Amino acid sequence: DTAVSQTPKYLVTQMGNDKSIKCEQNLGHDTMYWYKQDSKKFLKIMFSYNNKELIINETVPNRFSPKSPDKAHLNLHINSLELGDSAVYFCASASVDTQYFGPGTRLTVL
Amino acid sequence: GESVGLHLPTLSVQEGDNSIINCAYSNSASDYFIWYKQESGKGPQFIIDIRSNMDKRQGQRVTVLLNKTVKHLSLQIAATQPGDSAVYFCAETPTGGFKTIFGAGTRLFVKA
Repeated sequence: DTAVSQTPKYLVTQMGNDKSIKCEQNLGHDTMYWYKQDSKKFLKIMFSYNNKELIINETVPNRFSPKSPDKAHLNLHINSLELGDSAVYFCASASVDTQYFGPGTRLTVL
Repeated sequence: GESVGLHLPTLSVQEGDNSIINCAYSNSASDYFIWYKQESGKGPQFIIDIRSNMDKRQGQRVTVLLNKTVKHLSLQIAATQPGDSAVYFCAETPTGGFKTIFGAGTRLFVKA
């Protein structure tokens, strides 16, 4: 049973398109995150939700919009995709301090 | 500004040897530190953690050392195995905070 799952695992799309990445956790955690990992493996936090409320928004372009329909889900919608959006996106959930990561979604923008 | 960094971006060790991965942090307000392991094609996975009221914590084959005086964190892996090959991240979280700051990562190669 996967604790934190993401779909899709791979996403290849053209510049200008709109796409969504879905995340679900079955750990009963209150806090969920989105991270972006670049080609140099640097992990940068994008958003954090606690009990469906946004608590961290790290100067991410408005084209990125997270949505949390319930505590177990945190989806990421990206409008007008740009070449620089190509990266691996990780969802994570947390109990207190320790975060549990999903397998990642590799986004390639052509 | 806040930063968590690593001294060595790449570390190559012989199978069976001990590995030491180092990390420097700059935020004195951080009181919780974690080491994560990321294997190729997977998400980071929790290895071991330590709070600022401790200076050493041991797990199975892994030990984390915290030196608050010089703001230094290290991960020691005993009897390194090929399965230990991965990128290792240190991370810090301030008291009561939701924001975890990750270091740049160190790639560990284990030679058979």
